[in-house]
Amino acid sequence: AQSVTQLDSHVSVSEGTPVLLRCNYSSSYSPSLFWYVQHPNKGLQLLLKYTSAATLVKGINGFEAEFKKSETSFHLTKPSAHMSDAAEYFCVVSVMNYGGSQGNLIFGKGTKLSVKP
Amino acid sequence: GAVVSQHPSWVICKSGTSVKIECRSLDFQATTMFWYRQFPKQSLMLMATSNEGSKATYEQGVEKDKFLINHASLTLSTLTVTSAHPEDSSFYICSARRAGPNTGELFFGEGSRLTVL
Repeated sequence: AQSVTQLDSHVSVSEGTPVLLRCNYSSSYSPSLFWYVQHPNKGLQLLLKYTSAATLVKGINGFEAEFKKSETSFHLTKPSAHMSDAAEYFCVVSVMNYGGSQGNLIFGKGTKLSVKP
Repeated sequence: GAVVSQHPSWVICKSGTSVKIECRSLDFQATTMFWYRQFPKQSLMLMATSNEGSKATYEQGVEKDKFLINHASLTLSTLTVTSAHPEDSSFYICSARRAGPNTGELFFGEGSRLTVL
């Protein structure tokens, strides 16, 4: 069975400082891992995804995440926070179906990122 | 990128009435669409999986007679909340999987906020 744990429900950083949003996963098979961002009253936007290629994944808006199998982690980072990064972030795990399509997504509970001026 | 549109974005209705939410893939064909529900400050919970031309598959605990899902074409799925009650107030989000090989990525709509008075 797959599961994902986001270790912090709320992270607050100052503008210009680094961002670290933590995520640990559990999966019986090789997982696909995703980070989505949700701005208030909006849908989800894909930031980046890991699907068994390079372990360091670069996404949009300067975000990146590193897949560490030994630690079962997929933490999201950004070198310098911007005010527009304030949002809810979801770590998501999925198992690829036979044929290569994406299986059901299992969402973490989310981490709210606040950015102080 | 692929676009998924939900309509309406906001809806307020009286208790006992039914509300229909549409999910459209605007520039691609979606063999599968998913409906999620998001409670305040919580993660997304999968309600049902909708395949074009067949009955939806509901997750455990989701009343299929309460939440009617129709996926009549490759670009449209609808969720109807029947006889809505205040406890049905929530943020409903759909996602669509693009048809074709090697196209497992899901694209999310912007969500529909339902308030039942």
